[in-house]
Amino acid sequence: KQEVTQIPAALSVPEGENLVLNCSFTDSAIYNLQWFRQDPGKGLTSLLLIQSSQREQTSGRLNASLDKSSGRSTLYIAASQPGDSATYLCAVDQAGTALIFGKGTTLSVSS
Amino acid sequence: DTAVSQTPKYLVTQMGNDKSIKCEQNLGHDTMYWYKQDSKKFLKIMFSYNNKELIINETVPNRFSPKSPDKAHLNLHINSLELGDSAVYFCASSHGTGSSYTFGSGTRLTVV
Repeated sequence: KQEVTQIPAALSVPEGENLVLNCSFTDSAIYNLQWFRQDPGKGLTSLLLIQSSQREQTSGRLNASLDKSSGRSTLYIAASQPGDSATYLCAVDQAGTALIFGKGTTLSVSS
Repeated sequence: DTAVSQTPKYLVTQMGNDKSIKCEQNLGHDTMYWYKQDSKKFLKIMFSYNNKELIINETVPNRFSPKSPDKAHLNLHINSLELGDSAVYFCASSHGTGSSYTFGSGTRLTVV
């Protein structure tokens, strides 16, 4: 059964720092991996989707990498800003089920 | 606006009551989902429908009954509400396995 783990559970950084969020999954037979952002009391916003055949995707200050064989993904946030404060969720998509989520990393960026 | 919309946003009800949450998407997606986010913020799939047909039912109590009148709508009816049903319920849609998901803004259900 697929399990998705995100480390760390929480992270606090000063504004301007570059940071990395980690995601690992136990079954490498995935179609894709998706990163979402959730603000308190809000829904999920899709950030990046990496297909299983891809190694990375970039959007603005965000870069996500995928190493399917080792079951790992990272989300790199460059030059962090207070507006980046949110919970970041990693999820994998595979046959026979819907997106399976990790428990998230709660990021706090202080000004 | 193209989106996944859920109603109501907040729902407070007493134990034993029956309630429904509605979801609609205008994205032309074929597949819709219900997720439950518990007090620890963990998101877990409950149901998935593809073109009005149930394709995923993740060991959810049969007090929960999804209904899809057409592929743009997936409603969730809950009978005999219990305290443990308190959570945030998210509706989502996609073109199916391997494609991007779009989530609604959630319905916070509180059972007292």
